[in-house]
Amino acid sequence: NAGVTQTPKFQVLKTGQSMTLQCAQDMNHEYMSWYRQDPGMGLRLIHYSVGAGITDQGEVPNGYNVSRSTTEDFPLRLLSAAPSQTSVYFCASRLGRTGETQYFGPGTRLLVL
Amino acid sequence: GNSVTQMEGPVTLSEEAFLTINCTYTATGYPSLFWYVQYPGEGLQLLLKATKADDKGSNKGFEATYRKETTSFHLEKGSVQVSDSAVYFCALSDRDSSASKIIFGSGTRLSIRP
Repeated sequence: NAGVTQTPKFQVLKTGQSMTLQCAQDMNHEYMSWYRQDPGMGLRLIHYSVGAGITDQGEVPNGYNVSRSTTEDFPLRLLSAAPSQTSVYFCASRLGRTGETQYFGPGTRLLVL
Repeated sequence: GNSVTQMEGPVTLSEEAFLTINCTYTATGYPSLFWYVQYPGEGLQLLLKATKADDKGSNKGFEATYRKETTSFHLEKGSVQVSDSAVYFCALSDRDSSASKIIFGSGTRLSIRP
């Protein structure tokens, strides 16, 4: 098992550009989430999905879109990048609900100029 | 709403010292509690967890006990090593939530001196 994979590892964007952060898992997990990690603020939930075709907003969804067309993939789209979106982005997945271990990808470091 | 509060870092200790990282939580219902660790340049990985009151999670010499009366889940280790240097996150999962979102604390950076 590759676990949770994320691409790219690092990206530089100019303000206003769009891009998609890729996330995939091969563990047949129902739950997938996107977090951003900023200094001193821990991890904040952007969007999450409880299964294929179902997504919902987390704490900080503005400026981001997601879709879940398959169980394996959960891409995160930045529609029009802003400097405030400079952060490290983590994708995570878990099998089910409460008490289940969440598995994290290695992260994507994004710099918006 | 649900929240997790953990002690601010950085925490700097000498090798073989005793470690405590405090974590308290606010939640409705009966959450599951977790400690995650993030080594430099990596994603988070589960260190230990407890799913009900008075449970003790343990792994790699680390321990934490789910204390409902004090709403706490403090992380402890009797003798730290240089390899324990990392950022530690306390987290909860609220089983009463239909989506069972996981809420993270802000993280505590731990540095161990040889």
